[in-house]
Amino acid sequence: DTGVSQNPRHKITKRGQNVTFRCDPISEHNRLYWYRQTLGQGPEFLTYFQNEAQLEKSRLLSDRFSAERPKGSFSTLEIQRTEQGDSAMYLCASSPRTVMNTEAFFGQGTRLTVV
Amino acid sequence: GESVGLHLPTLSVQEGDNSIINCAYSNSASDYFIWYKQESGKGPQFIIDIRSNMDKRQGQRVTVLLNKTVKHLSLQIAATQPGDSAVYFCAEKQAGTALIFGKGTTLSVSS
Repeated sequence: DTGVSQNPRHKITKRGQNVTFRCDPISEHNRLYWYRQTLGQGPEFLTYFQNEAQLEKSRLLSDRFSAERPKGSFSTLEIQRTEQGDSAMYLCASSPRTVMNTEAFFGQGTRLTVV
Repeated sequence: GESVGLHLPTLSVQEGDNSIINCAYSNSASDYFIWYKQESGKGPQFIIDIRSNMDKRQGQRVTVLLNKTVKHLSLQIAATQPGDSAVYFCAEKQAGTALIFGKGTTLSVSS
């Protein structure tokens, strides 16, 4: 399978714990995006990378959230001191850098439940 | 702030009917639009896209219409099938920014 891969698929954690999610984009896609989706809502943009550079962060992204893409390939999203409001599906997407806009390809997501 | 929105949260159709899902956007600077389909427990799946220099684009059983005058986007699905049941999102984009999604329309197809 050469699509976007996210791990783990599901994560249950206790409030206050730290969690880290991983995203492996489609090979040679140099743009990588993180979104959060809650039930009944559309995906909300969190942040995006072009290669290893984090180019944009949403104002929704609190200081407890940090994302990295150290070698311009896979990315990690860490949430520190999780809160119940962090429970959501975390989606990763990737796209190639082209002159024209192009679609982003999404992974299956990581569903986080904070208890 | 500006965002993409959908007119109806749910749409129910009979198998074989044509479906039309609508979306209104407010950012006149957006120049690229995508329709995604999302099934339960899965990530959004690309259906069709359209650039702002076009007003219509056709795919297999799907057509996207763009009306920039009234900032309206629609997705037409011909001969809707039970497998088309899902949540449909429109998304907009400007150059150099990420996709911004609306809230979604849930399409239910009964046979």
